[in-house]
Amino acid sequence: DTEVTQTPKHLVMGMTNKKSLKCEQHMGHRAMYWYKQKAKKPPELMFVYSYEKLSINESVPSRFSPECPNSSLLNLHLHALQPEDSALYLCASSQEMRNTEAFFGQGTRLTVV
Amino acid sequence: GEDVEQSLFLSVREGDSSVINCTYTDSSSTYLYWYKQEPGAGLQLLTYIFSNMDMKQDQRLTVLLNKKDKHLSLRIADTQTGDSAIYFCAETDTGRRALTFGSGTRLQVQP
Repeated sequence: DTEVTQTPKHLVMGMTNKKSLKCEQHMGHRAMYWYKQKAKKPPELMFVYSYEKLSINESVPSRFSPECPNSSLLNLHLHALQPEDSALYLCASSQEMRNTEAFFGQGTRLTVV
Repeated sequence: GEDVEQSLFLSVREGDSSVINCTYTDSSSTYLYWYKQEPGAGLQLLTYIFSNMDMKQDQRLTVLLNKKDKHLSLRIADTQTGDSAIYFCAETDTGRRALTFGSGTRLQVQP
């Protein structure tokens, strides 16, 4: 199983809503990542968890709150988002943080209205 | 900081070879990667090369690395319409330990 599963695939939320994005992998990977990808742009790193501890936060606004409840799961909690936060949110995992082979999920397409 | 650059667009005919180029600035890059992204989908790792290698071949894919010029290329032999996608090169270094992506090259394969 080399899959990274993200749910939901699509999400539309208002600016006052609270929602969560979920990511799951069963490859035994100990590093998990959130990336944000705007249209026609490359993915931009948001957060990295290594062994369930937050290792990198790329100065992401606090309206995005990551959580790693266990080694297989990664959540991204969303609150009070802005329309400019609309993007494809990609989760990835790798064996270790050195990232020699990072596997990506299909992404959650988020629209903030 | 790291900078990875790619040309934006490449168009080839089905059956021809495609060559997608990438340049990077970080001399401490340890691994260099090629990812493929189809419309509306996530990223698929195609191949990667360690910085002490010059070449890596995997079926229709050939990766060439010129470390002196910091130039990476991906050659796709016998390009098919299913190869139409955006191709991202990416790199990691020992310090950062997370992927830095290029801007992506859109490959269009014409029948």
